[in-house]
Amino acid sequence: AQKVTQAQTEISVVEKEDVTLDCVYETRDTTYYLFWYKQPPSGELVFLIRRNSFDEQNEISGRYSWNFQKSTSSFNFTITASQVVDSAVYFCALSGGGSNYKLTFGKGTLLTVNP
Amino acid sequence: AAGVIQSPRHLIKEKRETATLKCYPIPRHDTVYWYQQGPGQDPQFLISFYEKMQSDKGSIPDRFSAQQFSDYHSELNMSSLELGDSALYFCASSPGGGTPGQETQYFGPGTRLLVL
Repeated sequence: AQKVTQAQTEISVVEKEDVTLDCVYETRDTTYYLFWYKQPPSGELVFLIRRNSFDEQNEISGRYSWNFQKSTSSFNFTITASQVVDSAVYFCALSGGGSNYKLTFGKGTLLTVNP
Repeated sequence: AAGVIQSPRHLIKEKRETATLKCYPIPRHDTVYWYQQGPGQDPQFLISFYEKMQSDKGSIPDRFSAQQFSDYHSELNMSSLELGDSALYFCASSPGGGTPGQETQYFGPGTRLLVL
């Protein structure tokens, strides 16, 4: 069975601070995919990033960066210079390889960025 | 770019009534997923379809059924509604069949169902 744990239920920061959201996962699949989705107060789920299990290279995309470490089963997400519009619930999610890509989500982290 | 379309966006029903939720995937996406998100919860996988065939099933109640049509849109039918069915229902789509990016699901805006 797959499991995603987001230990931080709520984080509050002041605008322009950097913030890192933690995610730890469990899976028996050798090929799997990790995702971060953002859910703003309006309710939609917005895809942010995807990482394949066979590619541990960490990347930066604008103000977003992520740190994938297979050795510790972690997939952390960092927002640099946070903005009020970043306030949302952030979900880490996992899907297996093969033909089954259903997502298993963590419980989410509520990020509040204060002006 | 075109996104996933869900209708209706809001729905209010009484207990024991039926409801039908519709999902129109992104053009050229042939895989559809349905998720249920209760208040303050994470989304839970219900069911998925690839090329009009059911491809996987999660924690979907027997009172619910779904299908994917020839134009790839999908409908989630919910009968004998209960108070606990009140939730946000998401549809997501992805390209399937070995297409690059098939692992990534793009979500619609959701249908907010309230059962009274």
